[in-house]
Amino acid sequence: GQSLEQPSEVTAVEGAIVQINCTYQTSGFYGLSWYQQHDGGAPTFLSYNALDGLEETGRFSSFLSRSDSYGYLLLQELQMKDSASYFCAALNQAGTALIFGKGTTLSVSS
Amino acid sequence: DVKVTQSSRYLVKRTGEKVFLECVQDMDHENMFWYRQDPGLGLRLIYFSYDVKMKEKGDIPEGYSVSREKKERFSLILESASTNQTSMYLCASSSKRDTQYFGPGTRLTVL
Repeated sequence: GQSLEQPSEVTAVEGAIVQINCTYQTSGFYGLSWYQQHDGGAPTFLSYNALDGLEETGRFSSFLSRSDSYGYLLLQELQMKDSASYFCAALNQAGTALIFGKGTTLSVSS
Repeated sequence: DVKVTQSSRYLVKRTGEKVFLECVQDMDHENMFWYRQDPGLGLRLIYFSYDVKMKEKGDIPEGYSVSREKKERFSLILESASTNQTSMYLCASSSKRDTQYFGPGTRLTVL
């Protein structure tokens, strides 16, 4: 089977750095994606890591270690608008559809 | 910008009714997906399609069917709605399978 595990909640203050971890168990692995979803909104694509290492996009970075079956999303200089749910996702064994983790709710306070 | 639209934002139906949820995308994507989202369970894949008239079961297809007669449109059908199908339904489309674009969702309540 396939599963992705991530913490259910994370809290932080404005200006801080937060890391959201994701460990996965998959029969076949193509890469790890991250999505953001604000309350009442649709999930939106943030990043994709196919290879080991760090990918940076502005204040957000994503990391993958295939050998450890582990990745994380790093959010820097946190802002109130970053309060949202964050999902890691990986393609299924056939490579045909994404399987999502249960999501991490990030609450940013002032 | 990719646009994925869903026919209704909120829907209330009665147990036993046949329910149609429509999804349309305007980017000529081959792949389309239906998920349901429930608190604490994340997004679970119901069905997906990688071409017109093609469909594949996801993780939770029971009680659902789909139709893809045109490339831009993917419909989710609840043959006989039940209360345990009360949920948020999200449609997505993609050209690359690792990057999906989601619609705004339909919050379905079955009474």
